Order: sequence, then structure tokens, then C-alpha cells
Amino acid sequence: GQNIDQPTEMTATEGAIVQINCTYQTSGFNGLFWYQQHAGEAPTFLSYNVLDGLEEKGRFSSFLSRSKGYSYLLLKELQMKDSASYLCAVDSNYQLIWGAGTKLIIKP
Amino acid sequence: SAVISQKPSRDICQRGTSLTIQCQVDSQVTMMFWYRQQPGQSLTLIATANQGSEATYESGFVIDKFPISRPNLTFSTLTVSNMSPEDSSIYLCSVADSMETDTQYFGPGTRLTVL
Repeated sequence: GQNIDQPTEMTATEGAIVQINCTYQTSGFNGLFWYQQHAGEAPTFLSYNVLDGLEEKGRFSSFLSRSKGYSYLLLKELQMKDSASYLCAVDSNYQLIWGAGTKLIIKP
Repeated sequence: SAVISQKPSRDICQRGTSLTIQCQVDSQVTMMFWYRQQPGQSLTLIATANQGSEATYESGFVIDKFPISRPNLTFSTLTVSNMSPEDSSIYLCSVADSMETDTQYFGPGTRLTVL
């Protein structure tokens, strides 16, 4: 079967750094996506990794290890507006398989 | 990325009725998708809307319940038929039109409540 695991919920402090992990087992792999979804809103695209390594985009970075079936999203200098759910999705044979999402709570 | 709009943004409907949700994109896109997201849950793909042909449905979703139209490359509709309270959910359309990745961009969603 196809499976994506991410923690259900995480809590972090404003100004700190948090790492959200995602592990996957899929029949195919054409890339991994991270999306941010604020409560009551649609998901918005954050990052895409298809090769191993770290992709940095401002305060957000995403890492991929294909051999380990593992990715993480790193958020630096956390702001209150970063409170949201973060969804990991794998492109498996050109179909997106979605994780259940990680709810990130930022405390002042 | 494309600008995507959905109508209605929300609705409250009676059991047994049907609702059609519209998804409009400001540019031509190859792929359009319809998702359902129930409270606190992740996204579930209902179907891929194919231009000029029948939609491709995922396991557990059937055309009689969720008929989809895609008359052109910028527009699609999803109908939720013979609704029951279990159909209460957020319905999202998304588009993908990249030659290199399958990045999907989402519309704002339609929040449906069935009484």
C-alpha cells in the first residue's frame, strides 16, 4: 500500500525553529510537496523536492532523502502567523498521495 | 501561478437536494482535480476532471453521486447529488499545468453543510 506519516500536532515558541518530519512508502516517486493550510483556508504550495538534499526558501527549508523515504520541513524564526497545518504529499506515479497533516501551534 | 475561484464559497443545504460547485481558472490548465476535506482531516481526491471526456473517479466515489463537467480548459463543475449530512465537508478544486512538476494550486474551497 501507499503510506505517508507525519506527526499529528507540534508546538513551538515564537522566534524558535521547528522541524516537521514526513516519512513515506509509495509505489512510485516523482517528487515530494509541502503545503501550508491555515484553518478555514485552502492549502498553499510551499516547496517541492525531487532530488536529495536541502531546498531553502526564505525562512522555510525542505529536505529530502529518497533512500530513506524521508523528508522534513524546517521553519526558522517562527512567527505567530506560521500557526497552521502542514501537509506532506508524494507524487506517486503522477498521483498525489497526501499525509494527514501536522498541526503546528506557535506560542508567544 | 493560476488564480482560481470557486462558487459558492459556502452553502447550507437540505438532505436529498443537489448542489453544483463551480471552479474557474484565469488561464488554461491541463489538469483539474476535485477534493473533499472533512473537518480535521487531510485531502481526499474525488476525481480528476478531464477536458472533453468523462472524469476519472477514485475508489469510493461514483459518477452518479458526484457528476463532474469540464467543458473547457478553464472551467469545471462538481455536483454533490442527493445530499446527506455525511456530505458536509469542504470541497476544493485544484489545478496543475506544469511540464516539469505536478504542483497543484488550490481554489479557496466551498464549505458545504447538509442538514
